[in-house]
Amino acid sequence: EAQVTQNPRYLITVTGKKLTVTCSQNMNHEYMSWYRQDPGLGLRQIYYSMNVEVTDKGDVPEGYKVSRKEKRNFPLILESPSPNQTSLYFCASSLSRVGGLAVYEQYFGPGTRLTVT
Amino acid sequence: DAKTTQPPSMDCAEGRAANLPCNHSTISGNEYVYWYRQIHSQGPQYIIHGLKNNETNEMASLIITEDRKSSTLILPHATLRDTAVYYCIVRVPNAGGTSYGKLTFGQGTILTVHP
Repeated sequence: EAQVTQNPRYLITVTGKKLTVTCSQNMNHEYMSWYRQDPGLGLRQIYYSMNVEVTDKGDVPEGYKVSRKEKRNFPLILESPSPNQTSLYFCASSLSRVGGLAVYEQYFGPGTRLTVT
Repeated sequence: DAKTTQPPSMDCAEGRAANLPCNHSTISGNEYVYWYRQIHSQGPQYIIHGLKNNETNEMASLIITEDRKSSTLILPHATLRDTAVYYCIVRVPNAGGTSYGKLTFGQGTILTVHP
């Protein structure tokens, strides 16, 4: 089954304790992206990756890091989490081909609800 | 990207067609219309997209007006599981720079399907 998986699904942590949210897709997609969703602010892109070893900042990258060492995995790292990073996080993936239509047909993971106290 | 306007909420009876409108009057010639939905706190789900012709897939139909200034997503036989927020997005497929691949959801339409 084609899917994007995220782990953990729920996490409560304390300020400053480094954490990683994993994202994995089994569709051989080139494009992967992280979003956060907050009430009243909609979906905001944190980082994206167009392929292995190619990553770039989205709209709200401060306080986050990513890496793309393998095509299937795109972990989100919070080196020193703060309460303003409490949010619902989604990973997404899609094909990225010449013409660019498919990149907007994104598969989303189930979400990770993070609480930083 | 063209701005989209959707009604904040709609109701539909189970088994009936749900017709969700979207206004995108400033759409340009190379922008596509994409529809997504999000069931409460789940990951958004891609539904369908189109440029100017009507499109249909196993989930829905998309009707785009001839002037492309508006579109309608049709769920032909709505079920309770179709209760969700529906988002209409306009994107240029080969947009470069930091916009490439980025999805920006507005407020969307909350569709409630009732028995």
